Amino acid sequence: EVQLLESGGALVQPGGSLSLSCAASGFTFSNHAMIWVRQAPGKGLEWVSSVSGSGERTNYADSVKGRFTISRDNSKTTFYLQMNSLRAEDTAVYYCAKGGITETRGSWFDSWGQGTLVTVSS
Amino acid sequence: QSVLTQPPSASGTPGQRVTISCSGNSSNIGFNNVNWYQQLPGTAPKLLIWSSYQRPSGVPDRFSGSKSGTSASLAISGLQSEDEADYYCAAWDDSLNGVLFGGGTKLTVL
Repeated sequence: EVQLLESGGALVQPGGSLSLSCAASGFTFSNHAMIWVRQAPGKGLEWVSSVSGSGERTNYADSVKGRFTISRDNSKTTFYLQMNSLRAEDTAVYYCAKGGITETRGSWFDSWGQGTLVTVSS
Repeated sequence: QSVLTQPPSASGTPGQRVTISCSGNSSNIGFNNVNWYQQLPGTAPKLLIWSSYQRPSGVPDRFSGSKSGTSASLAISGLQSEDEADYYCAAWDDSLNGVLFGGGTKLTVL
């Protein structure tokens, strides 16, 4: 059974940093792209970032480019989202998801974590 | 503002067939597959349709997807009360080099 467990959500001040983790199990981790998707309170889904199975390819939404960094450690079957220069508009539930294929381009998201809340406020 | 356009709401009575549209352009739906997600209240999203037409195992065949040109649709037949949820389309966008989600459609079962 695929399991994805996010951690790291917290209350942080504007301009601050936070790191999210997603521990994965139940599948061959390195064969799948991994993804972060967020959902602001009462709003729709917004794709944040994807990383290919090898970790060589990464993609970012324009809204986070230059501030967020996605990475993965295939030996630990865990991937991460380092978030810097946080803004109020980054406040959201952050979901990690498993891609259906190795590559980021065109991948669907076939399993999701339960989400972790990031609140950016002074 | 989402580049993938969905109606904000849809409704139907039990047993009816409902369709939800998703309109894009040549950078996204025109050349890439569409995926659909269902989000029940208070829960994480769930994959409903992948690669425009494919249903994951466990998803009832009441749910079906289609694509034509720069638009896609999700059809739900034999509507049930448990289908009341938010539905999102998503597609890769070659101009943005990333994923676009539609704004979501809230389905109400009357």
